[in-house]
Amino acid sequence: GENVEQHPSTLSVQEGDSAVIKCTYSDSASNYFPWYKQELGKRPQLIIDIRSNVGEKKDQRIAVTLNKTAKHFSLHITETQPEDSAVYFCAASRSSASKIIFGSGTRLSIRP
Amino acid sequence: NAGVTQTPKFRVLKTGQSMTLLCAQDMNHEYMYWYRQDPGMGLRLIHYSVGEGTTAKGEVPDGYNVSRLKKQNFLLGLESAAPSQTSVYFCASSYSGPSGIYNEQFFGPGTRLTVL
Repeated sequence: GENVEQHPSTLSVQEGDSAVIKCTYSDSASNYFPWYKQELGKRPQLIIDIRSNVGEKKDQRIAVTLNKTAKHFSLHITETQPEDSAVYFCAASRSSASKIIFGSGTRLSIRP
Repeated sequence: NAGVTQTPKFRVLKTGQSMTLLCAQDMNHEYMYWYRQDPGMGLRLIHYSVGEGTTAKGEVPDGYNVSRLKKQNFLLGLESAAPSQTSVYFCASSYSGPSGIYNEQFFGPGTRLTVL
């Protein structure tokens, strides 16, 4: 069945450094790849998404890259700040489908 | 707009009891979803609905039932609760744009359920 694998499960970086989270997907027909951020005790919220017609998308300090051939995509956070500490989920979907498959999450901690 | 709301926020059940979780959205979204979130396992889809009167199974549907009698509401039922159903439950909704283009899911605040 459809599957999304996410690595690493935990990540600790020094404040100001960059963080990278990687995901692979199994359904080659997937064409929508969102990333959600979940702060402690809060609901998941979309931070960035990318569709298969582009290879990279940036929004201030965050960026997502997509390699459709290899079926993997990554989240990059630069100049990390304490407020970036959270659990991050990747996901994949076909636009024709009505559901998305989530990765298992990465707990990102920013060290002061 | 309230967005997506969930009732109740917390609940403790004894094994074998039943309960219903209510999800409501005021964004006129067609799609609604129920997920459960367990430590280290991310968000797993229980059931979902693509419109009023329709429901479908997700990854982990066993032990749960759902109903979507009104477009704005999506109910999740546990007929006979088990300790394995202890989890945080999130409801979400999304809009299906033109040509079925997929869009952002908006999540509710969650319901923390403990089954003793």
